[in-house]
Amino acid sequence: SQKIEQNSEALNIQEGKTATLTCNYTNYSPAYLQWYRQDPGRGPVFLLLIRENEKEKRKERLKVTFDTTLKQSLFHITASQPADSATYLCALDIYGAGNMLTFGGGTRLMVKP
Amino acid sequence: DAGVIQSPRHEVTEMGQEVTLRCKPISGHNSLFWYRQTMMRGLELLIYFNNNVPIDDSGMPEDRFSAKMPNASFSTLKIQPSEPRDSAVYFCASSFDGNTIYFGEGSWLTVV
Repeated sequence: SQKIEQNSEALNIQEGKTATLTCNYTNYSPAYLQWYRQDPGRGPVFLLLIRENEKEKRKERLKVTFDTTLKQSLFHITASQPADSATYLCALDIYGAGNMLTFGGGTRLMVKP
Repeated sequence: DAGVIQSPRHEVTEMGQEVTLRCKPISGHNSLFWYRQTMMRGLELLIYFNNNVPIDDSGMPEDRFSAKMPNASFSTLKIQPSEPRDSAVYFCASSFDGNTIYFGEGSWLTVV
């Protein structure tokens, strides 16, 4: 079955630097992949969706890449700020049917001032 | 927009008791999801409804769990009888376009 792997260790970076988070999956490439942000005690919030035919997508300081050959997505936050500190989850539809998202374990990002 | 509304936000109950979690999806959304989140297992999909019909419940742990969606604006997740290992945060989420999912703030369940 499809497995989604994110670095379970926290990522600590200095304010102003670029944070790069990794999401790997094991089997077939999904039609799209999504990234969510989760703050403590809150529900996940959608950030970006990237389709299999898109190599890169940007939204303000966020950038997502999708490499179906490597079976990997990278999530970048440029000019990081302490307010970016949160857990970031990647999600994909393991059945390819377009509606049932499976989430990775998330990576906790800590941006230090 | 009110977003996805869940209740209760927090519940502490004794083992063996029935627990009912409630969810009001975003108006106009036709898909509803129940997820469970724990430290050990992360965010797991329990059940998915489309147009009020359960499409996939393969994530429901066992017969003690049941979910209903009697209409487009309401869903329940019931655990009977509850056990300590059911302690988790239960999220309801809804979607219209089948892509972006909007989560509620979760119901924090503790079974003692």
